[in-house]
Amino acid sequence: GAGVSQSPSNKVTEKGKDVELRCDPISGHTALYWYRQRLGQGLEFLIYFQGNSAPDKSGLPSDRFSAERTGESVSTLTIQRTQQEDSAVYLCASSSDSGSSNEQFFGPGTRLTVL
Amino acid sequence: GENVEQHPSTLSVQEGDSAVIKCTYSDSASNYFPWYKQELGKRPQLIIDIRSNVGEKKDQRIAVTLNKTAKHFSLHITETQPEDSAVYFCAEIYNNNDMRFGAGTRLTVKP
Repeated sequence: GAGVSQSPSNKVTEKGKDVELRCDPISGHTALYWYRQRLGQGLEFLIYFQGNSAPDKSGLPSDRFSAERTGESVSTLTIQRTQQEDSAVYLCASSSDSGSSNEQFFGPGTRLTVL
Repeated sequence: GENVEQHPSTLSVQEGDSAVIKCTYSDSASNYFPWYKQELGKRPQLIIDIRSNVGEKKDQRIAVTLNKTAKHFSLHITETQPEDSAVYFCAEIYNNNDMRFGAGTRLTVKP
């Protein structure tokens, strides 16, 4: 079946430009997460959406980062005025929050390079 | 948010030996503890998980133990094989469904 998809797979941008990353979760998954993973490092939580509840934005590193999700479908992560330190792989994950399983299914990631 | 401490950061073992990775959490309300394996250049994938009402869970060569009193949980891999080489992340669910990851352990299994 279809898993979590992300686009683009790679994005190269110039410092100061805005970028938009897209995540398509598994159909029916109410929970959606964004993570940042710098080269050789761990998963850094950014933001979490759960159904129609207010998102948990506690991991966003600055006000240049924002994310939106329409209902229980697609989410977009926007980074404004990109900086070189934003270069990383941005991973999206979704889970069903069914009560019996909290497994997060990860997308393939978007590799962002800021020149 | 709360952090999960994970040790060691790197681990090298000989093929056939066992590997143990330990994580410590701080929120006593946490009730779900998954382990993810991330091979080089790939996405993390769940390999085993445990809930707070269980002390141990095993799946072939992989086992996870949970000590709720000490707030520790550990991943045990027995009879390691070169294909076990990867980065392993522990995580905890707290505050309903927020998940926080450990910093990861790079496991190398030498043939």
